[in-house]
Amino acid sequence: TQLLEQSPQFLSIQEGENLTVYCNSSSVFSSLQWYRQEPGEGPVLLVTVVTGGEVKKLKRLTFQFGDARKDSSLHITAAQPGDTGLYLCAELSGSARQLTFGSGTQLTVLP
Amino acid sequence: EPEVTQTPSHQVTQMGQEVILRCVPISNHLYFYWYRQILGQKVEFLVSFYNNEISEKSEIFDDQFSVERPDGSNFTLKIRSTKLEDSAMYFCASSESYGYTFGSGTRLTVV
Repeated sequence: TQLLEQSPQFLSIQEGENLTVYCNSSSVFSSLQWYRQEPGEGPVLLVTVVTGGEVKKLKRLTFQFGDARKDSSLHITAAQPGDTGLYLCAELSGSARQLTFGSGTQLTVLP
Repeated sequence: EPEVTQTPSHQVTQMGQEVILRCVPISNHLYFYWYRQILGQKVEFLVSFYNNEISEKSEIFDDQFSVERPDGSNFTLKIRSTKLEDSAMYFCASSESYGYTFGSGTRLTVV
C-alpha cells in the first residue's frame, strides 16, 4: 500500500497570505485527488490530477502534479478564513477505484 | 447539487451490540463505498460495492462487517458485535467515474 506524506501537518496564517501544501509519495501515483474536509463533515472533492506536469486552477487554488507523478502541491493565493479546513490528498487506484488518503494538512486562516 | 445522505448522524451503542449504518447514494452512481476515520487518524477505505456485490475490501473489513443494498436506493453497513475500537466516523461515498461524493458521516461511539 502506497504511503502518502503531507506537509506541513499544521499551518496557521493570516488572511491575505499565500501558502503551499505538499503531498509526496515514494512511488508513482496513478491519479491523485485533493479534498477539503471540515469538522464533522465528509471530504469534499476539489480536483483530480492525472497527467504528470498538470496544473489545474480552481479560483484562488492552484493544483500541480509533479512531472514524475510522485508529488503534488496545492497553492492558495490570498487565503481567506473560509479556506480553513483539513486538506487531504488521496490516490485513486485499484480495480474498485478506492482512495488511499494522506494524513492531511490542517489549515487555519486567521482574520 | 446531488448529495449522499447518511443516517443516523450520531449513534451510541454498547459493546457487543450490532449497528446498521445507512446511506442513500447518488441515484445514477454505480460505485458505492464505506470509509472510516478514527479520531485524529487518516480516512481509511473499508469496502467498495459495484453491480450488487463487493468489488474490493480492506484488511479492516473482516467478518464483523457486512454491506448490503437492500433496495434500489439504500446502501447499509452492518457491524456485528461492536468493539470499543470501532468508534469512529463512518463515511459513505458514491462515484460515477473519478468523481467521489462523500456523505456527512455517522459518528459511532461504542461504550
